[in-house]
Amino acid sequence: DADVTQTPRNRITKTGKRIMLECSQTKGHDRMYWYRQDPGLGLQLIYYSFDVKDINKGEISDGYSVSRQAQAKFSLSLESAIPNQTALYFCATSEPGGDTQYFGPGTRLTVL
Amino acid sequence: KQEVTQIPAALSVPEGENLVLNCSFTDSAIYNLQWFRQDPGKGLTSLLLIQSSQREQTSGRLNASLDKSSGRSTLYIAASQPGDSATYLCAVETSGSRLTFGEGTQLTVNP
Repeated sequence: DADVTQTPRNRITKTGKRIMLECSQTKGHDRMYWYRQDPGLGLQLIYYSFDVKDINKGEISDGYSVSRQAQAKFSLSLESAIPNQTALYFCATSEPGGDTQYFGPGTRLTVL
Repeated sequence: KQEVTQIPAALSVPEGENLVLNCSFTDSAIYNLQWFRQDPGKGLTSLLLIQSSQREQTSGRLNASLDKSSGRSTLYIAASQPGDSATYLCAVETSGSRLTFGEGTQLTVNP
């Protein structure tokens, strides 16, 4: 089984709808991250969490919110989806101390 | 604000060729630099991580170098294979475990 899982893997929705993307991890890491990737661009950080009670905004948090329900679960919500939020969304985890981040397979979101 | 740039954006080579991917960053105050591989539908996989105090790291046919003072890193792939075809992303870690990514180099190795 994968260490970092994301659901759904693909989602098509309409403008104005509320959407939740979920991330679960079995690596036991405290730190979790949400990124978005647009075609031809690198990943941009949306939100990150260093533990259950710690949530931080990244570079592009406007229009998004997150919830850290447990050490293993970190959800990303789009309260009212808009077409320019169409992108590939990645969840990642890490431990403190300079270790790498471990990425989920991604969720492809299309907002019509 | 840290900015990361990768050159070239795309590269197509015949099998067996040695190749170099380039990454540059604007702020030398980094903790480490990482190279990732991205395959369609499979997320990102870490290939090499170079701490800021290190000059290079090697893993099999891959060698990554870091020149922090000039803000540059290279990823060298020896004897390329079709299975190396993927997008390669460079990322630097700054304070708070935050990664800043380049746009990636899309590599195609032709049999």
